[in-house]
Amino acid sequence: AQSVTQLGSHVSVSEGALVLLRCNYSSSVPPYLFWYVQYPNQGLQLLLKYTSAATLVKGINGFEAEFKKSETSFHLTKPSAHMSDAAEYFCAVSGYGGATNKLIFGTGTLLAVQP
Amino acid sequence: SAVISQKPSRDICQRGTSLTIQCQVDSQVTMMFWYRQQPGQSLTLIATANQGSEATYESGFVIDKFPISRPNLTFSTLTVSNMSPEDSSIYLCSVVEAANEKLFFGSGTQLSVL
Repeated sequence: AQSVTQLGSHVSVSEGALVLLRCNYSSSVPPYLFWYVQYPNQGLQLLLKYTSAATLVKGINGFEAEFKKSETSFHLTKPSAHMSDAAEYFCAVSGYGGATNKLIFGTGTLLAVQP
Repeated sequence: SAVISQKPSRDICQRGTSLTIQCQVDSQVTMMFWYRQQPGQSLTLIATANQGSEATYESGFVIDKFPISRPNLTFSTLTVSNMSPEDSSIYLCSVVEAANEKLFFGSGTQLSVL
């Protein structure tokens, strides 16, 4: 069975500070991993995905995530937070075969950016 | 990228009634999914909507409660039947774009059951 665990349901950073959102996964097969963002009153938007190519994945809006098999982690980072980054972020995993398999989502991390 | 139109965007319904949510995609897609996001929780897959055959439901979800139609490759409906306040959630349609295997989501239907 596959699962993801997001550590920290709420994260608060100052504008300009490093953003680090943690995600650990469990999968019995090589996983595909995703980060989605949900802005207030909007649908989910794909930030980035890992599909067994490069372990460091760059996404939209300056975000990136690194796949670390030894740590079963796929943490999301951004060097400098903007006010517009305030949103809820979801980590998700699917089994080998890519996005066509169902996604298992984490419980989400609400990111607040303080001025 | 696939453009997904989902409606209604929100509704307030009475206990015991049913609501049908529509999902329209601007291109043909093989796989369509329905998710639920309960207040303060993550997304949970309800079912995979299969074109030309019965939907495949996840554990904890049944066809009688959540009947799904998929008449063609661009359209699906999810009905929430005999609603109770516990059904108050956001319901999201999602599709896989075959060209890049990306999963796209509609903007969701905010359902409140009184």
